[in-house]
Amino acid sequence: SQKIEQNSEALNIQEGKTATLTCNYTNYSPAYLQWYRQDPGRGPVFLLLIRENEKEKRKERLKVTFDTTLKQSLFHITASQPADSATYLCALDSGGSYIPTFGRGTSLIVHP
Amino acid sequence: DTEVTQTPKHLVMGMTNKKSLKCEQHMGHRAMYWYKQKAKKPPELMFVYSYEKLSINESVPSRFSPECPNSSLLNLHLHALQPEDSALYLCASSQTMDRSSYEQYFGPGTRLTVT
Repeated sequence: SQKIEQNSEALNIQEGKTATLTCNYTNYSPAYLQWYRQDPGRGPVFLLLIRENEKEKRKERLKVTFDTTLKQSLFHITASQPADSATYLCALDSGGSYIPTFGRGTSLIVHP
Repeated sequence: DTEVTQTPKHLVMGMTNKKSLKCEQHMGHRAMYWYKQKAKKPPELMFVYSYEKLSINESVPSRFSPECPNSSLLNLHLHALQPEDSALYLCASSQTMDRSSYEQYFGPGTRLTVT
């Protein structure tokens, strides 16, 4: 069956360090993968989209990589700040439908 | 304006009540979505409207009834809900449903509690 895996344990890091979050998937051949940020009780906010033919995408302090061989995406936040603390969701299209399916997200906590 | 608005922010309703959730966007998007999200879980797709027509219904119980009066508005009518329907209900929109644009804009959600 199709599965999207994100680390359910919270990631705790010190301010200024690089946070790296992982999204693994099985039984998907996605055309794209997205990353969203979600704060408690709020809707997800789109951050970045990377397509199957792209290896890497950057936006300000954010970097996403996409390895279709490993079936994995890595999401990096450099020079992390306490304001980056949130849950980060990956989402990818499920092939037949162009609607993204979301992973359960990983909580990031940046300590001052 | 890249905002999706949802009303109300919070809703408490009894199992015999009828209520509606409202969603609005003015970005000219032609695809609109309803999601349900429980705590510590990912958003689960409920319905998709494309060009004001219901395109996807993810086998949602009939006590949830969506409506798209025009290209900017999306409603979710609720009737005879169960306590397990308590969740955060999220509305989202995107330019279209096809591969030209996948970025979804989400509203802040309505926190629904069924008593």
